[in-house]
This record gives sequence, C-alpha cells and structure tokens, in this order.
Amino acid sequence: SAVISQKPSRDICQRGTSLTIQCQVDSQVTMMFWYRQQPGQSLTLIATANQGSEATYESGFVIDKFPISRPNLTFSTLTVSNMSPEDSSIYLCSVEDRGGEEGLTEAFFGQGTRLTVV
Amino acid sequence: GESVGLHLPTLSVQEGDNSIINCAYSNSASDYFIWYKQESGKGPQFIIDIRSNMDKRQGQRVTVLLNKTVKHLSLQIAATQPGDSAVYFCAEAPWMDSSYKLIFGSGTRLLVRP
Repeated sequence: SAVISQKPSRDICQRGTSLTIQCQVDSQVTMMFWYRQQPGQSLTLIATANQGSEATYESGFVIDKFPISRPNLTFSTLTVSNMSPEDSSIYLCSVEDRGGEEGLTEAFFGQGTRLTVV
Repeated sequence: GESVGLHLPTLSVQEGDNSIINCAYSNSASDYFIWYKQESGKGPQFIIDIRSNMDKRQGQRVTVLLNKTVKHLSLQIAATQPGDSAVYFCAEAPWMDSSYKLIFGSGTRLLVRP
C-alpha cells in the first residue's frame, strides 16, 4: 500500500489566481495521477504524471490550465491556473500499485484538496 | 464515448441488512473492475476488485459479482453497518496506452439506518 499526503486540504481562492496542490507519497512510484471530482460527481482523470517526462493529459484538459510537475518518484504538483468558479472541485492525487498478480493495479488516493473559487 | 454508470444513485438500508449496489459498464475491452468507498472528506478507498475471467470474488463482508454477458457489476455488503455509510464507486480498467486506465462510475450513496 501507499500513503499519500496532499496539501492544502482545502482552500478558497479568488478568480483569476492560481493554486498549486502538492502530493507526497511515502514510497517511490512510477506513475502518479491527478483526478478532479466536481461536487456530487464521480472522478475524472486529468492527467498522468511520469517522472522525467511530460505529463499526459486526458481529453478536455490542457497543460496551460493544469500544469503538472514531477521532479522525483515521490512527489508531484498540480497547478490550477487562472481559476474561475467552474474550477471549484476536489482535486485528488493517486498512485497505483502494480505489485499484484499479472500486473493488476490497485489505486491509492490522497484525501483530496477541496477548492472553492469565488 | 464509453462510460461506467450506476443504476441507483441512493440506497437506504436498515442496519444489519444486506446491501446490493449495482453498476453497468460499457467497455467490453475492460478486464479489471474495482469497487471504491468514499467517505465524506476523504479520498476513495479500495474495497475489492475482480478480473474479467472471474464472475465472483469474496472479501470480508463484501462480494463482487461480474456478469460480462450484460456488462453488469454488483457489490454486495453483508450485515451492513453504520460505518458502511459512504459513496460507492465502481471503476473499470481497460488496457489503454500501455497501462490500465481507471474509468469511474457516477457513484451510489449508501445510507444505513440505525
């Protein structure tokens, strides 16, 4: 298993500003994932962050809006840029454990960052 | 596009009864399915998973059933307890771009009545 710490746990931000969310894992992992969970909704994958390469973004998400850093195998950041009220969501960091049989994956999640944009 | 959805958005059960949460998936290429529990203010927590070559898997008080014919997944919780109150998500994991990608369903809120 993996223990994931996210900071901040919540924030209220002014529109037009940017917020950087940090994700720290207690073990080295190859792939880290960032999800968005809008109020009352399910989780949507924003991007996959691999150490030493550019993040891979899912359809509907772009690097200019959600720049990601992955400086080492235990840490990643997600920035929500030029925020608007529509960006109000929970942002979750996740890692996967591929140590199981046949390369199956179990995802572990941080507690999330609850962002409110006013 | 392909998606994972749930039949019941809210389920209310009496403490001690069994709960059944259902999920439909649409990606026939998915070969791995997972159930997550999310309590208020927390991230999703793994409950149980199942491979597509199985139709049933049991854990502690939980059982996952997979029906590939109708692309249906269910989570059964035996003797439901107040601590089981949470939102439950199913997720499917097709192999895409050299890795598994988790596609989450919309979630079912389980309320346990004392």
